Amino acid sequence: SQTIHQWPATLVQPVGSPLSLECTVEGTSNPNLYWYRQAAGRGLQLLFYSVGIGQISSEVPQNLSASRPQDRQFILSSKKLLLSDSGFYLCAWSGYYEQYFGPGTRLTVT
Amino acid sequence: GQQVMQIPQYQHVQEGEDFTTYCNSSTTLSNIQWYKQRPGGHPVFLIQLVKSGEVKKQKRLTFQFGEAKKNSSLHITATQTTDVGTYFCAGPTGTASKLTFGTGTRLQVTL
Repeated sequence: SQTIHQWPATLVQPVGSPLSLECTVEGTSNPNLYWYRQAAGRGLQLLFYSVGIGQISSEVPQNLSASRPQDRQFILSSKKLLLSDSGFYLCAWSGYYEQYFGPGTRLTVT
Repeated sequence: GQQVMQIPQYQHVQEGEDFTTYCNSSTTLSNIQWYKQRPGGHPVFLIQLVKSGEVKKQKRLTFQFGEAKKNSSLHITATQTTDVGTYFCAGPTGTASKLTFGTGTRLQVTL
């Protein structure tokens, strides 16, 4: 069966520091992968999606970037965090039509 | 762009009462999906509806897709404390199986 991992689970970072969040998927090949951000008590905002290695599409202009160095690995990065980057970051992969989410990373920028 | 709104934003019920959340899309949808997110957790896929007017049931949960395929509802009969969470609808948008998620309805159930 398919499994999706995210780490770290929680992260507290100062403003201006770099960020790297990792997501890996097991049990499937060539999945579509997604990064979402969820502000506290809010909905899901799609940040990036990828249909294959090295293929990244950005949905929202921001100081974040994404990369897909391997088929089942998706990385979210930032060179300098802003206070507004705080939130719950979720990675997901799509089956035939539905999406399956990882456990998420709760990021607090101080 | 496509917008998906849900009402209410929040509902507090006593255990045993019924609950309904409504989902409205600004565009016609080929399908509608529903997800549940428990407090502190991640969204979990519940169901997909495809046909106009389709009704599906999962135990105490009843999902409907509108005739015009622009709206949907989720009804929970006799809520339990395990139903607590935020319910999102989602519709496909663009390519790559992307989804636009609704604004969500947070359900609180008390004894």
